[in-house]
Amino acid sequence: AQTVTQSQPEMSVQEAETVTLSCTYDTSENNYYLFWYKQPPSRQMILVIRQEAYKQQNATENRFSVNFQKAAKSFSLKISDSQLGDTAMYFCAFMKHNNAGNMLTFGGGTRLMVKP
Amino acid sequence: NAGVTQTPKFQVLKTGQSMTLQCAQDMNHEYMSWYRQDPGMGLRLIHYSVGAGITDQGEVPNGYNVSRSTTEDFPLRLLSAAPSQTSVYFCASSWGAMETQYFGPGTRLLVL
Repeated sequence: AQTVTQSQPEMSVQEAETVTLSCTYDTSENNYYLFWYKQPPSRQMILVIRQEAYKQQNATENRFSVNFQKAAKSFSLKISDSQLGDTAMYFCAFMKHNNAGNMLTFGGGTRLMVKP
Repeated sequence: NAGVTQTPKFQVLKTGQSMTLQCAQDMNHEYMSWYRQDPGMGLRLIHYSVGAGITDQGEVPNGYNVSRSTTEDFPLRLLSAAPSQTSVYFCASSWGAMETQYFGPGTRLLVL
């Protein structure tokens, strides 16, 4: 079974600064994907960024980038130029696949507050 | 496209009652899943499906049933509700293997 650990329950950052959220995972799978989802107070789960495990290049999406260290099983999220709208819960998730479908395993989340 | 829709948005049940949480998607996605989110925690997989007639159990399947008769719909049935099933339930879908899952808005369930 896979486990996903987010060791920072809460973090805060000043507007316009950079913050990094940590995520580690444990798996024996070779083929998997990793995701960061954002959950604002509305509860909607919103995709932030995804990383294919077979790709060495770190994924980037505008102000969001990841540091994917496969050997260390680490997948951190960096948010640059933080904005007030980034305030939310952030979940790291691991995806594997079998004949019945896709399976996501989530970490416990990090609550991020962006301060003006 | 409406994306992934869930009904109802909020439901109160008494212990022992049964109900069905509805999930539908209009994106022609083959892959669908149900998750529950308890306060202060991440989502946990209940059941998932790769298409009509194919389902499997996730991490926390006890007390829940699913069936998949169409591509569009993936209902979740609570057979005999218990207070431990108080949670927020999310349905998600994706178009292919290992593809991004898109989530519905959630159903908040309170079992008294």
